Amino acid sequence: KAGVTQTPRYLIKTRGQQVTLSCSPISGHRSVSWYQQTPGQGLQFLFEYFSETQRNKGNFPGRFSGRQFSNSRSEMNVSTLELGDSALYLCASSSGTGAYEQYFGPGTRLTVT
Amino acid sequence: EDQVTQSPEALRLQEGESSSLNCSYTVSGLRGLFWYRQDPGKGPEFLFTLYSAGEEKEKERLKATLTKKESFLHITAPKPEDSATYLCAVQGTGTGGFKTIFGAGTRLFVKA
Repeated sequence: KAGVTQTPRYLIKTRGQQVTLSCSPISGHRSVSWYQQTPGQGLQFLFEYFSETQRNKGNFPGRFSGRQFSNSRSEMNVSTLELGDSALYLCASSSGTGAYEQYFGPGTRLTVT
Repeated sequence: EDQVTQSPEALRLQEGESSSLNCSYTVSGLRGLFWYRQDPGKGPEFLFTLYSAGEEKEKERLKATLTKKESFLHITAPKPEDSATYLCAVQGTGTGGFKTIFGAGTRLFVKA
């Protein structure tokens, strides 16, 4: 069974630009969550989508948004990039929403200059 | 507010030297406590889910236990390939939905 895939793996952007990251969950998984990981803050929850609906949202500004398509693939968008947005962005999928184990992708390393 | 604290931040062991990692948590209505392993440059890898106090789960050299306030990840006779960052996470009923809160992790180094 194929795991969670994320594209691109690496990205360099300039402050003020916007970026879109993509995540394909494990086949059959309907829940996709996004996390930001930095050395200082660790893993922080961004949002979760289940059946194309945002179910939960973390404490991030409105510049961070996402969506989920009917095939469960998900995208995350960050507008007006700031230097502090440099991080590893991880996507995780699970078979349901709630206390289900999550399976993570390899992440997208975003560098904002 | 839900919170997860892991200790120690880093742990250095000799091969075969057993030890435990601690995860203390504060959560409104625990739905599940999770342990993950993360290798450098990779996403976290799922290890265990524990749902209620008293529950234990084992996998190879790892054993996870849960009380009402903390969880332990016991590593028996570790090998160098067990070197990684171990993350603990909780999900509770009072987090305004199903948000998973992660601890900062324990970096484990096992020397041959």
